[in-house]
Amino acid sequence: KNEVEQSPQNLTAQEGEFITINCSYSVGISALHWLQQHPGGGIVSLFMLSSGKKKHGRLIATINIQEKHSSLHITASHPRDSAVYICAVIAGGTSYGKLTFGQGTILTVHP
Amino acid sequence: DTAVSQTPKYLVTQMGNDKSIKCEQNLGHDTMYWYKQDSKKFLKIMFSYNNKELIINETVPNRFSPKSPDKAHLNLHINSLELGDSAVYFCASSQPGQAVAFFGQGTRLTVV
Repeated sequence: KNEVEQSPQNLTAQEGEFITINCSYSVGISALHWLQQHPGGGIVSLFMLSSGKKKHGRLIATINIQEKHSSLHITASHPRDSAVYICAVIAGGTSYGKLTFGQGTILTVHP
Repeated sequence: DTAVSQTPKYLVTQMGNDKSIKCEQNLGHDTMYWYKQDSKKFLKIMFSYNNKELIINETVPNRFSPKSPDKAHLNLHINSLELGDSAVYFCASSQPGQAVAFFGQGTRLTVV
């Protein structure tokens, strides 16, 4: 079993819908990343969280350290949000930022 | 200005060949990484260097040899390429304690 599990693996939505992607992990962590990989292949870091909640535009990321769970929300989704969203954690005590990845969630937003 | 740049972006080569992928970062970071993304899009760390020193080696076959001539560069050399090496390879960099990672655009390696 992977140390980082995401759900769902595939998600299809209509433009304007509210989207939630979940990430659960089984190890103690010092931080968690949400990454976005577009069809062209490039990977962009959206958020880095160690507690609480962060918001950037229509994207919101939350983390519950006690429950070992994080969610990425997209409000008013748009076709340009179509991408693979990847959760990645940095195990606690790891000072060099070694990332362990979830399997990714493929999001498709239809107009 | 590209923060982390990899070359080449695409690499098609025959089995048994030796090839290199280059990575450079202009962010002044101390730590650089190589990740492999398989056909199912799953990313996994291969190596990490901090200030030109190897700190992570994740049971990668010894046909893969990273080389860091200085802390801004981390190149990946692969000997005797096999079909199973076909994947997308990502370079990334970060600063210890900050943990935010910046990724290169990826190198799609196809072994035929």
